[in-house]
Parts: sequence; structure tokens; C-alpha cells
Amino acid sequence: KAGVTQTPRYLIKTRGQQVTLSCSPISGHRSVSWYQQTPGQGLQFLFEYFSETQRNKGNFPGRFSGRQFSNSRSEMNVSTLELGDSALYLCASSFRRPAGYNEQFFGPGTRLTVL
Amino acid sequence: DQQVKQNSPSLSVQEGRISILNCDYTNSMFDYFLWYKKYPAEGPTFLISISSIKDKNEDGRFTVFLNKSAKHLSLHIVPSQPGDSAVYFCAASASDSNYQLIWGAGTKLIIKP
Repeated sequence: KAGVTQTPRYLIKTRGQQVTLSCSPISGHRSVSWYQQTPGQGLQFLFEYFSETQRNKGNFPGRFSGRQFSNSRSEMNVSTLELGDSALYLCASSFRRPAGYNEQFFGPGTRLTVL
Repeated sequence: DQQVKQNSPSLSVQEGRISILNCDYTNSMFDYFLWYKKYPAEGPTFLISISSIKDKNEDGRFTVFLNKSAKHLSLHIVPSQPGDSAVYFCAASASDSNYQLIWGAGTKLIIKP
């Protein structure tokens, strides 16, 4: 079974630009969650999608948004990038929800650098 | 306000000995706890979990202990193997926040030969 895939793996943007990250979950998994990891920090929860609906949202500004498609693939968008948005963005999928109560399978992440 | 704290950024243990990783939490509403392991350039992988109705859960070489009165969680790895060298994250969730996962900052475990 193929694992969670994330594209692109690396991205360099400048302040003020916007970015879209993509995540393909494990086949059959309908829950997709997004996390931000900065150096020395644990993962910070961004949002969870299940059946194309956002089911849970972390404490991030509205510049961070996401969506899920009918095939469970998910995208995350960050608008008006700031230097502090530089981080590793991780996507995780699980068969059931809520994500925090079930084993999640993580992708390798997208490393975003904002200059 | 860090609700989940892993106070040891790193831990070095001899191969074959016991590794004990600790995690403290402040939110008494947390009722589910998980441990994940992360190798460089990879996403975290699930290790073991425990519900607040239990005080111990075992899976092979991994055992998680939960002390609710002390709001303390620990992961024991016995015996430690070189492949256990990784960053270990403790995470917690609560039903009243729809099981949103709150993560510790991680502990880097180094197994010495």
C-alpha cells in the first residue's frame, strides 16, 4: 500500500506570495490532517478534513486554509506569506476520525522557506 | 502556554539498557495520549497510545505508563536498540476539543553501541 505523499518536498517563496501544498492520503483513508513543525517545536495542528468537510481547526490565522477533494486528496494554502511561516508542513491521514484518537500515517513533509 | 512538555531535549542510552522518555501535561481534560517516533527526513510514525482509563499499555519492547494524579506520562523501551535512535514525540488530546492533538517538543534519543 502506498504511503502518504506530499508535493512538493521543498519550496522557496518570498514574503507576500502565496503557496499551495498538496497531500495524497493512503488509499481508503478519509481523514487528512495538517501540521506545522518549526525548529525546536512540536507539531502544531492546523486543521483536519473528513469527507471534504473541515472538522477541526487549530489556532492559526485565516491566511492558512485548506480543502479536501472527493478522492480524499487535500490541499493547504497559505496566503501573504510571512518569514515566520518557514517550517516543515506535515500531512497525515487516518482511516477514522477524529485524528487525535486514531493512529495517523504521516507523509515526509514539505519544507517551506520564506525569504 | 505549553500544555504538553517534554523537558529533556535529548537522552543518551547504552544499547541493551532501558530508555525512559518523559512527558508532562497541564490540561486535566486530556483523555488520550500517543507517542510517535520520527527519523530525519521522514514523517512521524505511530508507536503506542494509552487512554486515561488505563495506567499502562504494552506493545513488545514499548510500554507507556500514565500517572494521572501527577499528569505525567512515560515511555519505556526495553531493551534499547540502535534503530531506536530517533526523536520521540508525546501528544495528547481531549474529547472536549474534538480530539485536537497537542504535541510536545520532542526528545532526541541516542542509543550508544
